[in-house]
Amino acid sequence: EIVMTQSPATLSVSPGERATLSCRASQSVSSNLAWYQQKPGQAPRLLIYGASTRATGIPARFSGSGSGTEFTLTISSLQSEDFAVYYCQQYNNWPPKLTFGGGTKVEIK
Amino acid sequence: QVQLVESGGGVVQPGGSLRLSCAASGFTFSSYGMHWVRQAPGKGLEWVAFIRYDGSNKYYADSVKGRFTISRDNSKNTLYLQMNSLRAEDTAVYYCAKRGGAGTTAPWGQGTLVTVSS
Repeated sequence: EIVMTQSPATLSVSPGERATLSCRASQSVSSNLAWYQQKPGQAPRLLIYGASTRATGIPARFSGSGSGTEFTLTISSLQSEDFAVYYCQQYNNWPPKLTFGGGTKVEIK
Repeated sequence: QVQLVESGGGVVQPGGSLRLSCAASGFTFSSYGMHWVRQAPGKGLEWVAFIRYDGSNKYYADSVKGRFTISRDNSKNTLYLQMNSLRAEDTAVYYCAKRGGAGTTAPWGQGTLVTVSS
């Protein structure tokens, strides 16, 4: 089973600053990695797939990088609407399994 | 636009059963695989099950295999999750989600809460 580990658990950032979130896989997932954003009381939303491709309608301030076991989600200049929980998800061994990381909460500093 | 609306959640005793539904609109439902994903209160996301567009293949998380059954009715644009032998650890918000590219999930419905408690 592939285990996805996200760090840090909580990231405190001021509006306008850069946020860097990490996701590590217990074994290589190639570039088969997605990032999701979840705001309080809402369903998750797909941000990034293929490790670095933005989903439709996602602002350019969101970028993803990495391959193999180490991945990064960068938010270049945090806006108020970006404070949320972010999850990574691997789909390298799909089907039949999908695995999410434990999430990183980005909060206002 | 794509709309997914879950229903059927509620409170059920341990060992009980519940059937969730997900009504889909705004896309050709019969052309897309569909997922169920759950989120325990205050916790992260856990993928539960997937069904191919035509129902020919179904996949389950180990934690629900043998207890949950995913199905669909393409004539009604509806996805289902039959949950049997429910346990306290099955308490969660259950989301349905449309298959995105490869193994991604997008978009998601707003979820329905299932509480397993005596």
